[in-house]
Amino acid sequence: DQQVKQNSPSLSVQEGRISILNCDYTNSMFDYFLWYKKYPAEGPTFLISISSIKDKNEDGRFTVFLNKSAKHLSLHIVPSQPGDSAVYFCAPLTSGTYKYIFGTGTRLKVLA
Amino acid sequence: EAQVTQNPRYLITVTGKKLTVTCSQNMNHEYMSWYRQDPGLGLRQIYYSMNVEVTDKGDVPEGYKVSRKEKRNFPLILESPSPNQTSLYFCASSTGQGRFWNEQFFGPGTRLTVL
Repeated sequence: DQQVKQNSPSLSVQEGRISILNCDYTNSMFDYFLWYKKYPAEGPTFLISISSIKDKNEDGRFTVFLNKSAKHLSLHIVPSQPGDSAVYFCAPLTSGTYKYIFGTGTRLKVLA
Repeated sequence: EAQVTQNPRYLITVTGKKLTVTCSQNMNHEYMSWYRQDPGLGLRQIYYSMNVEVTDKGDVPEGYKVSRKEKRNFPLILESPSPNQTSLYFCASSTGQGRFWNEQFFGPGTRLTVL
């Protein structure tokens, strides 16, 4: 039972363009959604999050959009830079619990 | 420097030989957790701990043990490793409370091979 799906295993984008990474979930109890970025040979690092009371959260070049009715969230990176090349994981959870579910990840490659 | 450390970083062992992977954080975090990463499966939570002496199972706890005797340390124990436990393991911690309660800091990973 896969509660979190990132259906695009990989994505290539030209430098300066927009990168859109998608994440779908099935559990309606999720009310907090995080994105992590992972470089090779390193642990994941927190990138941005959104609460279910919002539908958008911005932090510099990164924006996360949440569509609760569709159980879908997306991460937009504008403009994309070569240093953004990494694997991105979405990780939703339910407040008050500490069981994290991670998606399978999307490998983003930003071409110079 | 605020960090989560794991040791060893690489380990090759044989089936049935007990091993421990250590994890330590210097941020006074309440919450700690262990994950394994496998190709095509993302990160899966093994065990987590909300505080000293408080631990609970994640999604894939079979074959693993943990303990939390001190706040800063959260070792992962494999009593009788098997080849299906060959994986990349990450330890993580977070405050567990306040505004940034769920933003986890991850260690650099331990690559384990069980022959």
